[in-house]
Amino acid sequence: DADVTQTPRNRITKTGKRIMLECSQTKGHDRMYWYRQDPGLGLRLIYYSFDVKDINKGEISDGYSVSRQAQAKFSLSLESAIPNQTALYFCATSEPGQGALDTQYFGPGTRLTVL
Amino acid sequence: GESVGLHLPTLSVQEGDNSIINCAYSNSASDYFIWYKQESGKGPQFIIDIRSNMDKRQGQRVTVLLNKTVKHLSLQIAATQPGDSAVYFCAGGGNYQLIWGAGTKLIIKP
Repeated sequence: DADVTQTPRNRITKTGKRIMLECSQTKGHDRMYWYRQDPGLGLRLIYYSFDVKDINKGEISDGYSVSRQAQAKFSLSLESAIPNQTALYFCATSEPGQGALDTQYFGPGTRLTVL
Repeated sequence: GESVGLHLPTLSVQEGDNSIINCAYSNSASDYFIWYKQESGKGPQFIIDIRSNMDKRQGQRVTVLLNKTVKHLSLQIAATQPGDSAVYFCAGGGNYQLIWGAGTKLIIKP
């Protein structure tokens, strides 16, 4: 979805390096999410943010941190990358629906390889 | 813990036939389920959703069926087309978090 962009699209780094993945959206949504996707495991939630001042840990937040710089920007950091963080990372946005969950719109993904 | 899983990692269907992709879940408290489609090199794209107070919901060429008794849901795609080739994910949950299944790759045979 062109309304949600991620940079970089591909990144190869070495163990111990600090990495930042960036996400920007033009959909005007308050809610943003970071997921990782591994083969055979589906998507797993790392962090989510319901507004600029609200940051929440997801299922697998260890080893990651996030920053919500503005409504439109949500970045994911790996302070000291390790090989098992090699994965496909997706950013998503949503707006409040009628219930606790709402439709999420995904960016194109960032493929991260940690050597 | 909670889980959502698809029955088959791969499904091959003849072009023009109907496709049925199945998914099972473990948490009775899940009140919302979504099907996403992921094409190669792209992020997941919303297809259709259903709430736990419904048994069936229809969209354009797609139908989702929910059987809460056996904790099972399915995605039916009518008249499968080459453009339907993708990995399909079911996801379910509540409390602002989704649990995702591993995905079923739909292969369209000409």
